[in-house]
Amino acid sequence: DVKVTQSSRYLVKRTGEKVFLECVQDMDHENMFWYRQDPGLGLRLIYFSYDVKMKEKGDIPEGYSVSREKKERFSLILESASTNQTSMYLCASTIRGNQETQYFGPGTRLLVL
Amino acid sequence: AQSVTQLDSQVPVFEEAPVELRCNYSSSVSVYLFWYVQYPNQGLQLLLKYLSGSTLVKGINGFEAEFNKSQTSFHLRKPSVHISDTAEYFCAVSDPNDYKLSFGAGTTVTVRA
Repeated sequence: DVKVTQSSRYLVKRTGEKVFLECVQDMDHENMFWYRQDPGLGLRLIYFSYDVKMKEKGDIPEGYSVSREKKERFSLILESASTNQTSMYLCASTIRGNQETQYFGPGTRLLVL
Repeated sequence: AQSVTQLDSQVPVFEEAPVELRCNYSSSVSVYLFWYVQYPNQGLQLLLKYLSGSTLVKGINGFEAEFNKSQTSFHLRKPSVHISDTAEYFCAVSDPNDYKLSFGAGTTVTVRA
């Protein structure tokens, strides 16, 4: 079974703090994704990575950056957290060549005060 | 670019009744279509997907969906729901040549006894 884990289920941070969200997958997947989920908006893609050290912007990259130093780990960084970044963050991964099914982690619910 | 519209934000339904969740997409090219489900406090998991071939797709937990190219729709159905089907359901579309998914806003299904 594919397993995608996220470092925290719940996180509370203050405005201006630097925040790291970690995602790890154990199935040697090439592609990894970060989404944010907001009520009434569904999931929106922030960044994705198709290989180590490779990254591409998604639909809403502003205020975020990412890091992929190892194949199994994809980190999302909020350089200076703001209240409008309060959201649920979901990580996903998929095998290259099997682009269809994304496997999701349980999510990190971030509250920025 | 593809986009997805889920026509109902909330669907209340009684146990053992049928349910239909509506999804329309817009795209000028061929597409892959997906339905994902998110149970409370969990990540998303794949219910079913349409890649090509038969327009009637069967998924897990008794769900099925029908791809209708002329109406650009991919509606999800289940003939008899259970309390455990209470969840949020997301329709998604992708370009077969792209890694990225575009999600709809989601439909919350609440099953009552």
